[in-house]
Amino acid sequence: QVTLRESGPALVKPTQTLTLTCTFSGFSLSTSGMCVSWIRQPPGKALEWLARIDWDDDKYYSTSLKTRLTISKDTSKNQVVLTMTNMDPVDTATYYCARTNNWNIDYWGQGTLVTVSS
Amino acid sequence: EIVLTQSPGTLSLSPGERATLSCRASQSVSSSYLAWYQQKPGQAPRLLIYGASSRATGIPDRFSGSGSGTDFTLTISRLEPEDFAVYYCQQYGSSPKMYTFGQGTKLEIK
Repeated sequence: QVTLRESGPALVKPTQTLTLTCTFSGFSLSTSGMCVSWIRQPPGKALEWLARIDWDDDKYYSTSLKTRLTISKDTSKNQVVLTMTNMDPVDTATYYCARTNNWNIDYWGQGTLVTVSS
Repeated sequence: EIVLTQSPGTLSLSPGERATLSCRASQSVSSSYLAWYQQKPGQAPRLLIYGASSRATGIPDRFSGSGSGTDFTLTISRLEPEDFAVYYCQQYGSSPKMYTFGQGTKLEIK
């Protein structure tokens, strides 16, 4: 059974750095073709893909946010970490991590709401 | 960057009716890289269709996907009460490797 769970602060201040952790089970990020993606969704708006890390440690980022994002993994802990710098109120959103099997985003975590406010 | 445009924005239908949702890409997309998701309020999206026409595990056969190039369609043959939700199409670009989502179609009960 594949499960993913996001954790991190519910509230961050403008200009701060957000660090989110995705803890997963039911698959291994050392398996060829396995990846983990981060996607966000502002309240009432559409989904936006942020980043992906692959089993071989290749990393891919949204072109519009790449200067602010860093994705990393700890295979032994079954965790993926996303950091986003210089947070702004427009970054208020539910942040999801999701398993990506080759290129298919197939299993999602429940999401974590992050509010950016002073 | 490929832009996906979904239509209509909102679709009002009754249970038992057929729903046809459209996703148009700004440039050609490989069918292998086109997916559809369903999202209900307060829930994470659920993968319905991948590879433009393959149903994900556990998805009822009333859901079907079709299309190629720049035009893709999600069809729900006979709407059940639990099908009323927001639907997103998504494409994966292999160069550069990134994903884009459409803006969503809300399927509401008439």
